[in-house]
Amino acid sequence: GAVVSQHPSWVICKSGTSVKIECRSLDFQATTMFWYRQFPKQSLMLMATSNEGSKATYEQGVEKDKFLINHASLTLSTLTVTSAHPEDSSFYICSAWGRQGNSPLHFGNGTRLTVT
Amino acid sequence: GENVEQHPSTLSVQEGDSAVIKCTYSDSASNYFPWYKQELGKRPQLIIDIRSNVGEKKDQRIAVTLNKTAKHFSLHITETQPEDSAVYFCAAISGGYQKVTFGTGTKLQVIP
Repeated sequence: GAVVSQHPSWVICKSGTSVKIECRSLDFQATTMFWYRQFPKQSLMLMATSNEGSKATYEQGVEKDKFLINHASLTLSTLTVTSAHPEDSSFYICSAWGRQGNSPLHFGNGTRLTVT
Repeated sequence: GENVEQHPSTLSVQEGDSAVIKCTYSDSASNYFPWYKQELGKRPQLIIDIRSNVGEKKDQRIAVTLNKTAKHFSLHITETQPEDSAVYFCAAISGGYQKVTFGTGTKLQVIP
């Protein structure tokens, strides 16, 4: 079963509004979670690494004021797309390592964001 | 930083034939190499992985080989079936599981 839960699975919003996506680790504590963006027929692009209790580490080219990440607890990380525009429409996926260091990287189901 | 190249980008095989996807990486510190299968609109699913202290790993029809010296690893799928059709991603992990770099993906089509 899923060990990383991501919500919502899809969302449609109007341009200029903000959208929050949640990523939860269900049966383990995740001090680190990763947020990816995936365009059609392309690979997963790492946007940022979310660290519990501290600021996220953003990849080069990703606007931290545009994509706000909050990792307030060991089981929840949120990604907020602020002032969304049509070009932000994409598939966003979170992931987290499992219980132990040797466990697989678990992915959420992803969120399909469409900005109109 | 790490750079992972994946080839081919698309691959069509007849049902029952084998499929091979190759990845190369640049960071010699990478020590964990998973392979993911992603169906359209769904999350990537881990299908097999290999660690740097192992040269080969097999799980039924799927196998992965690793050449640390040459910095490349490959996914082998034998006796392909239509349900194997998907996009496959390789990844290289380093830095104590803090840095994950994905390949560009291979779209595999198995023709019945």
